[in-house]
Amino acid sequence: KNEVEQSPQNLTAQEGEFITINCSYSVGISALHWLQQHPGGGIVSLFMLSSGKKKHGRLIATINIQEKHSSLHITASHPRDSAVYICAALLYSGGGADGLTFGKGTHLIIQP
Amino acid sequence: DTGVSQDPRHKITKRGQNVTFRCDPISEHNRLYWYRQTLGQGPEFLTYFQNEAQLEKSRLLSDRFSAERPKGSFSTLEIQRTEQGDSAMYLCASSTFTGDEAFFGQGTRLTVV
Repeated sequence: KNEVEQSPQNLTAQEGEFITINCSYSVGISALHWLQQHPGGGIVSLFMLSSGKKKHGRLIATINIQEKHSSLHITASHPRDSAVYICAALLYSGGGADGLTFGKGTHLIIQP
Repeated sequence: DTGVSQDPRHKITKRGQNVTFRCDPISEHNRLYWYRQTLGQGPEFLTYFQNEAQLEKSRLLSDRFSAERPKGSFSTLEIQRTEQGDSAMYLCASSTFTGDEAFFGQGTRLTVV
């Protein structure tokens, strides 16, 4: 059982749609990262959250510590947003003591 | 370029050969992490360093894997007697301290044939 679960695993949407990707974790965390990975590309850090909400351009990330849940939203989605979005948590237990525990990723495709 | 860099980007090797990868973190970052990612999966933690000290190793890291960070700057990950199951993307990340934003390198894609 993975301590970090993401949903959906795959998401296809039309350009302009509002996108939500969810991440749930089962133990306490000290921080949660949202990462973006393009096909064949490296990983880019989008956000690091420990509470509340962060916004950067069309991307918004929220976290609810009590519910152990985080969401990544993309407004006015564009084909260039097509990528794998990965949630990674810095867990209090597990994850290799200060390593990140990763979700399996959400494969997002935005069609023009 | 002040990001995390990894070398090589791609490596194809025959089963049984040894391979070594290098990671140069962001210069002021004292934490360095190695992860492995297989196709369709999220990355898995392998090991991490604080400065030159290797503080934690995952159970995934068999005896054939060894990592070093001799001067607390760049790090190397060596795989001895490679097996086909070692084929994966090997990712390096660095950060300043626990919980701070981690920056990732482009990864080294290893193919064992």
